[in-house]
Amino acid sequence: AQKVTQAQTEISVVEKEDVTLDCVYETRDTTYYLFWYKQPPSGELVFLIRRNSFDEQNEISGRYSWNFQKSTSSFNFTITASQVVDSAVYFCALSEANTDKLIFGTGTRLQVFP
Amino acid sequence: NAGVTQTPKFQVLKTGQSMTLQCAQDMNHNSMYWYRQDPGMGLRLIYYSASEGTTDKGEVPNGYNVSRLNKREFSLRLESAAPSQTSVYFCASSRVFEATNEKLFFGSGTQLSVL
Repeated sequence: AQKVTQAQTEISVVEKEDVTLDCVYETRDTTYYLFWYKQPPSGELVFLIRRNSFDEQNEISGRYSWNFQKSTSSFNFTITASQVVDSAVYFCALSEANTDKLIFGTGTRLQVFP
Repeated sequence: NAGVTQTPKFQVLKTGQSMTLQCAQDMNHNSMYWYRQDPGMGLRLIYYSASEGTTDKGEVPNGYNVSRLNKREFSLRLESAAPSQTSVYFCASSRVFEATNEKLFFGSGTQLSVL
């Protein structure tokens, strides 16, 4: 069965600190996809990244970076030099190939204080 | 650039009342989904539709019914609302492309309170 665990319920940092959000997943499939979504206080869900299980290269997009390690079943998300606008709930999610279903973790609420 | 449109945005029901949440997408996506979001639970899949004419249960289907009216529209019905169905409901859609799992596009959500 699929499962996504985000053990950090809430993280608070001061602006300009780096912060890493952890995501651990479980799946029996060899082909699967991992996602991160951001939910700002306004409530909408914003897609951040999608990764397939065959691509373990780390990815960097501006201040955001993702570290995918199949050996530890983790797909962690780091924000460098955090800003107040990064305050949101961040969800990690998993989808097995050909299922059309996205299974979400419980989310990590990030608060960035000025 | 409408994307995924959900109506209504807010709704208050009394226990036992029924209502239908509407969802429409204009991106020609094959797959559509209904999720509910509860504090500390993340988003949980209620029902999904992989294509027009098909629907399947997700994690938490009890108390809900769905209709994939056409390719654009996917509605969620609460036949007899219960306080446990107080939640924020999100509709989403995705395309199916070469058997890969594309990202989901979400609507803005419906905040439902059942008293």
